[in-house]
Amino acid sequence: ELKVEQNPLFLSMQEGKNYTIYCNYSTTSDRLYWYRQDPGKSLESLFVLLSNGAVKQEGRLMASLDTKARLSTLHITAAVHDLSATYFCAVDLSGSEKLVFGKGTKLTVNP
Amino acid sequence: EPEVTQTPSHQVTQMGQEVILRCVPISNHLYFYWYRQILGQKVEFLVSFYNNEISEKSEIFDDQFSVERPDGSNFTLKIRSTKLEDSAMYFCASSGTVGVNQPQHFGDGTRLSIL
Repeated sequence: ELKVEQNPLFLSMQEGKNYTIYCNYSTTSDRLYWYRQDPGKSLESLFVLLSNGAVKQEGRLMASLDTKARLSTLHITAAVHDLSATYFCAVDLSGSEKLVFGKGTKLTVNP
Repeated sequence: EPEVTQTPSHQVTQMGQEVILRCVPISNHLYFYWYRQILGQKVEFLVSFYNNEISEKSEIFDDQFSVERPDGSNFTLKIRSTKLEDSAMYFCASSGTVGVNQPQHFGDGTRLSIL
């Protein structure tokens, strides 16, 4: 059974600081996704990571994938308040259509 | 940008009643999904649907649940006899294909409250 674990589950940080969210998964997977969810809202796709060593960046967020370690990271650079949200990683398996989500990391960026 | 739309945004139903949640996926997408998120918990897969049939389902998706694509645009989730533990946010998602660079696109969800 595929398991996806994120840490930390809660993250409070100051504006301007850097931090990394980690996502570990238990079984070899072809694809890893990062989503953002604002309170009461839907899941917004941030990144799709398809291969070992993949790195993608959008603004202050950068995601990477190490398939050998079964680890993805979401790095936040110089955080701003607008980044406050819950971030989920999700993994799917080859031949399966379902996404298996981590528990999410609730990020709060304080002024 | 095209988006997945869901109605209603909030549904309150008495326990034991049937409920139908509605979704309009992105128009050129072929794969449709339902997920649920119990308050404060992670998002859980319920079912995927392709070519007018269920392609995969989870243990949660028991005989009380069914999905249908009654016409060319709508995709529905029916819960036949609701239970208190069905209270959750239900998300519909769609994707054009499975695989390369194709994230699933999620709707805003329907909050289902069972009394």
